[in-house]
Amino acid sequence: GENVEQHPSTLSVQEGDSAVIKCTYSDSASNYFPWYKQELGKGPQLIIDIRSNVGEKKDQRIAVTLNKTAKHFSLHITETQPEDSAVYFCAASFLGGSYIPTFGRGTSLIVHP
Amino acid sequence: SQTIHQWPATLVQPVGSPLSLECTVEGTSNPNLYWYRQAAGRGLQLLFYSVGIGQISSEVPQNLSASRPQDRQFILSSKKLLLSDSGFYLCAWSVGSPGHADYEQYFGPGTRLTVT
Repeated sequence: GENVEQHPSTLSVQEGDSAVIKCTYSDSASNYFPWYKQELGKGPQLIIDIRSNVGEKKDQRIAVTLNKTAKHFSLHITETQPEDSAVYFCAASFLGGSYIPTFGRGTSLIVHP
Repeated sequence: SQTIHQWPATLVQPVGSPLSLECTVEGTSNPNLYWYRQAAGRGLQLLFYSVGIGQISSEVPQNLSASRPQDRQFILSSKKLLLSDSGFYLCAWSVGSPGHADYEQYFGPGTRLTVT
């Protein structure tokens, strides 16, 4: 089955800096890679996703890149703000059968004002 | 638009007591439904998923069970809670049916369960 590794487990940055979270996956058949943000005491929210037919996707201050050959994908947050502080999860899945994503263990991002 | 509800929001139960957590989805039909557990500081552990009424797949053998009595209702149950059942329980849904291009998964607000 799929295995997703996520690093780092904790990331501390100053407001205005960039933050990068990296994930690797094991199953070359995976073709859909969502990212979730989970604020304290709440359920995760989908913030951006990427499919295997593209290498990069941007949405304002966040971007995701995918390297299918190396089987890794990354979340980039620029100009970080204190409200970006949360736990971020990556996931990998195959679109075509039952949708069962495999999640990384999460990264706790702390943005210091 | 679609919304997902979970209740209760928090629950404190003694060891050995029964459990029933409910999840309902509005604004969509025939969704895939999921129950996840999240222990403190840990990732998301998939417990059950369902592709239709009465169709439940279990990912982790334990003293929990799930049922889907209606298309948009998903229930997580236990006959006797263990201390290790404490955690944050999340329900989620996705479209996931053939012909749909989007398989995005949406999570509910969660239930914080403490077993004492």
